[in-house]
Amino acid sequence: QLQLQESGPGLVKPSETVSLTCAVSGGSISSSSYSWGWIRQPPGKGLEWIGTIYSSGSTYYNPSLKSRVSISVDTSKNQFSLKVTSVTAADTAVYYCANQVGFQVDYWGQGTLVTVSS
Amino acid sequence: QSVLTQPPSVSGAPGQRVTISCTGSSSNIGANYDVHWYQQFPGTAPKLLIYGNSNRPSGVPDRFSGSKSGTSASLAISGLQADDETDYYCQSYDSSLRAWVFGGGTKLTVL
Repeated sequence: QLQLQESGPGLVKPSETVSLTCAVSGGSISSSSYSWGWIRQPPGKGLEWIGTIYSSGSTYYNPSLKSRVSISVDTSKNQFSLKVTSVTAADTAVYYCANQVGFQVDYWGQGTLVTVSS
Repeated sequence: QSVLTQPPSVSGAPGQRVTISCTGSSSNIGANYDVHWYQQFPGTAPKLLIYGNSNRPSGVPDRFSGSKSGTSASLAISGLQADDETDYYCQSYDSSLRAWVFGGGTKLTVL
């Protein structure tokens, strides 16, 4: 069974860039059966898809975030990453990494809270 | 404002059956994209509950069922239990937005 674990800074200052990493175990990140994504949830609110990267390397992002986010894969470490630039308080959320099959999430990481504050 | 519309809350007594609706449009559910449902307990990650409109992953009780018709989908929970009380989200894909979309979530209260 796949396991995903997010890591990253808990606190980021406004206008800075936040980088998060998701370590994958129990399976290969290179598998063509999967895609990998990031989803976030502001405190007390609903879920928002951030983006997805496929085994081909193709990436797709939420149009509302596209100019500020990027997702990449490091096959040597079996992990993938998210970068969000020019963060504001509106980016404060629990960020989940996800294993995706088709258009559904099969496995979720436990989530990591990112707080944007000076 | 979520692309998929769910009621903010539903409730039911133990043993009863409740349904949670998820209303979309011609560019997502109505465009024949599948609907998936997730269950989320406070402080934890969501868990896949129903995939492909009506399929249950291994380990999900058959008390949970999903359906889809036109531009809407529904999650039904029968034989309601106290530990079903939590949040539920629907999710699909929107071809106009070219984005995965979620409903705003529904809080289920077991009376």
